[in-house]
Amino acid sequence: EAQVTQNPRYLITVTGKKLTVTCSQNMNHEYMSWYRQDPGLGLRQIYYSMNVEVTDKGDVPEGYKVSRKEKRNFPLILESPSPNQTSLYFCASSFMGLAGGFSTDTQYFGPGTRLTVL
Amino acid sequence: AQKITQTQPGMFVQEKEAVTLDCTYDTSDPSYGLFWYKQPSSGEMIFLIYQGSYDQQNATEGRYSLNFQKARKSANLVISASQLGDSAMYFCAMRELFFLGAGNMLTFGGGTRLMVKP
Repeated sequence: EAQVTQNPRYLITVTGKKLTVTCSQNMNHEYMSWYRQDPGLGLRQIYYSMNVEVTDKGDVPEGYKVSRKEKRNFPLILESPSPNQTSLYFCASSFMGLAGGFSTDTQYFGPGTRLTVL
Repeated sequence: AQKITQTQPGMFVQEKEAVTLDCTYDTSDPSYGLFWYKQPSSGEMIFLIYQGSYDQQNATEGRYSLNFQKARKSANLVISASQLGDSAMYFCAMRELFFLGAGNMLTFGGGTRLMVKP
């Protein structure tokens, strides 16, 4: 079954304690990204990756790190979490389009990770 | 300025009636795609429908149709014959073609919460 998985699904932690949210996809997608969802703001992109070892910042990258060492995995790292990073996080993946550009293929979303930072 | 605007934070609709969820967008890119996603209370993001900027016909997928008015920059979602299971958050999103620096980023609106009354 084609899917994007995230772990953990729920996490409560304390300020400053490093954490990693894992994301894995089994569709051989080149493109992966992380979003955070906050009430009234919709989803905002944190980081994205167009392929292995190629990552770049989205709209709200401060306080986050990512890595893409393998095509299927794209972990999100919070080195020193703060309460303003309490949010619902989504990983998404899709194929890139022709010449690495636009793709009409939809993005497939993981089930979400609800993070609370106390 | 916001790129995607959903002006209805919440809406009620009677079961079996049709409902229109509004979405307006702002872009100077001649090529773009518009998406609608459904987010039930369980939290996952479910892709509903896609409309490309060059598509001549309005997209339809089962009970979902997209009322695309390019000159007005609107992409309203129409749900026919509402069902109780349609109660959820609905997000409009856009992907722009030529801004490759943002990869395949989806820009989301703030969402509309739809509640279907029995």
